[in-house]
Amino acid sequence: GAVVSQHPSRVICKSGTSVKIECRSLDFQATTMFWYRQFPKQSLMLMATSNEGSKATYEQGVEKDKFLINHASLTLSTLTVTSAHPEDSSFYICSAPTYRGTETQYFGPGTRLLVL
Amino acid sequence: AQKVTQAQTEISVVEKEDVTLDCVYETRDTTYYLFWYKQPPSGELVFLIRRNSFDEQNEISGRYSWNFQKSTSSFNFTITASQVVDSAVYFCALMGSNYKLTFGKGTLLTVNP
Repeated sequence: GAVVSQHPSRVICKSGTSVKIECRSLDFQATTMFWYRQFPKQSLMLMATSNEGSKATYEQGVEKDKFLINHASLTLSTLTVTSAHPEDSSFYICSAPTYRGTETQYFGPGTRLLVL
Repeated sequence: AQKVTQAQTEISVVEKEDVTLDCVYETRDTTYYLFWYKQPPSGELVFLIRRNSFDEQNEISGRYSWNFQKSTSSFNFTITASQVVDSAVYFCALMGSNYKLTFGKGTLLTVNP
């Protein structure tokens, strides 16, 4: 079946550094991908929509200058957390919608970010 | 605006008991999709089911069954004869015409031996 991968699966960094997370659709093309964030014991919250060939659209309250999104190709979207701080520590998950007989979404395995 | 409500924050049962997880949704879209995902401690979301708004047939897959009631905007999930491996957080989600998923807050299911 369709697979979406994320890299890295886990990252620990110092406060102030930038972290890049990659999301790849492995066997289908995705003109759109979504980035979600999940804090411990909470639900997934949509951060932004990544659009191939155009700017990402951000949900209300999400700082676009802090969470840079680049949809470089039809199979790759990257999320860069710039100048990360401890409050950015979270579980980041990407997803990509596709049509396989019906509309569906495939999720990546997620990336755990810990900012010290 | 879309909204998904999972009123049960935590449920604890003993193995072999049946358990139903509730999900109520709100949307203005006439075409939409409902999902259930399982999230074990590893964090990866495990897809369980997708149902579109035009298909109200209930579905059974092994010990899992789903009851979609459009009249009450509910999409409940029942696990029959629960097992310890069923312990996880379960999310109900709604996808509208813009492909964005709105998740409920999740229900933590603990199945005790």
